[in-house]
Amino acid sequence: NAGVMQNPRHLVRRRGQEARLRCSPMKGHSHVYWYRQLPEEGLKFMVYLQKENIIDESGMPKERFSAEFPKEGPSILRIQQVVRGDSAAYFCASSSPGGAGETQYFGPGTRLLVL
Amino acid sequence: KQEVTQIPAALSVPEGENLVLNCSFTDSAIYNLQWFRQDPGKGLTSLLLIQSSQREQTSGRLNASLDKSSGRSTLYIAASQPGDSATYLCAANTGKLIFGQGTTLQVKP
Repeated sequence: NAGVMQNPRHLVRRRGQEARLRCSPMKGHSHVYWYRQLPEEGLKFMVYLQKENIIDESGMPKERFSAEFPKEGPSILRIQQVVRGDSAAYFCASSSPGGAGETQYFGPGTRLLVL
Repeated sequence: KQEVTQIPAALSVPEGENLVLNCSFTDSAIYNLQWFRQDPGKGLTSLLLIQSSQREQTSGRLNASLDKSSGRSTLYIAASQPGDSATYLCAANTGKLIFGQGTTLQVKP
């Protein structure tokens, strides 16, 4: 049973470009969470999604950031018009559909560098 | 608003010592509390998860306790080894994980 998969593992973008980060949850998991770890800072919650629904986006920046988890395929975190301050490690976690308190399993992360 | 604090921020010990990492949280309404390990430039490795109804969990040389009423959890590492050197994170699960800033541990040979 493969774990949570994230790709790419490393992504370099120039200011103004778009970044697309993908997350494939563990088999049987239908809940996905995105977290961001800025340099020298702790991990911060961004968004919680179930298939085709955004449940909690209270941690998402108001502009340029969006997330989706379609019926088929991976969850996508999209950052438009990236700026240097978006450089960070982005982690995805997934959980089974048992409810909000289920264990979250983390992927290896995508490290975004904005030049 | 849930806030999670970890003390100390950094710790350096000689090999073989037993040590305790502390985690406190402000809101006792949690589903569970989880301890993770993170090596530099790497992802998160889950170490122990304590459900809100539990008091402690053990795995090998690791023991984690939870006291919801006081808003505290501790991670006890017995007989520390250089390979234990990493950053240790605790996270309170309120439906989303609220992380502390971490304790960076260095175990010297």
